[in-house]
Amino acid sequence: NAGVMQNPRHLVRRRGQEARLRCSPMKGHSHVYWYRQLPEEGLKFMVYLQKENIIDESGMPKERFSAEFPKEGPSILRIQQVVRGDSAAYFCASSPPGTGSYEQYFGPGTRLTVT
Amino acid sequence: AQSVAQPEDQVNVAEGNPLTVKCTYSVSGNPYLFWYVQYPNRGLQFLLKYITGDNLVKGSYGFEAEFNKSQTSFHLKKPSALVSDSALYFCAVRVFSGNTGKLIFGQGTTLQVKP
Repeated sequence: NAGVMQNPRHLVRRRGQEARLRCSPMKGHSHVYWYRQLPEEGLKFMVYLQKENIIDESGMPKERFSAEFPKEGPSILRIQQVVRGDSAAYFCASSPPGTGSYEQYFGPGTRLTVT
Repeated sequence: AQSVAQPEDQVNVAEGNPLTVKCTYSVSGNPYLFWYVQYPNRGLQFLLKYITGDNLVKGSYGFEAEFNKSQTSFHLKKPSALVSDSALYFCAVRVFSGNTGKLIFGQGTTLQVKP
């Protein structure tokens, strides 16, 4: 059973470009979470999605950031017009259906560098 | 507000000695508590969780954690540290509010085990 997969692992973008980060959850998992880890900081929650639905986006910046989890295919975190402050590691996690006591399983992360 | 605190940025121990990484939490309701470990340039790996039941929880790689409700703590412990345990450790609490199940993380504690 493959773990959570993220790609690309490393992404370099110039200021003003768009960044697209992909996450494929573990097989059988229908809940996806995105977290951001800024340098020297802990992980901060961004958004929680289920298939075709955004459940909680309370941690998403109000502008330039969006997320989706379509019926088919991976979850996508999209950052438009990137700025230097967007440089961070972005982690995706998945968990099984339901709101029980399940731990979240994390992918290896995408490290975004904005030049 | 719900939060997690890891009061030590770094913990240094000698190989073979016992280790403790501290975590305190503040939540409304019953806490669901987790410990994760992060190796350099890697994602987070789940170590253990407390949901209910025995206050002493055993997890992966010989780690255990003790839940203390009166002190609102969930310290991570290991009887005998290994050099390979050197990594960044995160304590987290799962928040259930509405439909969300997001994790709130502490700032992380770097564990350094010296030979």
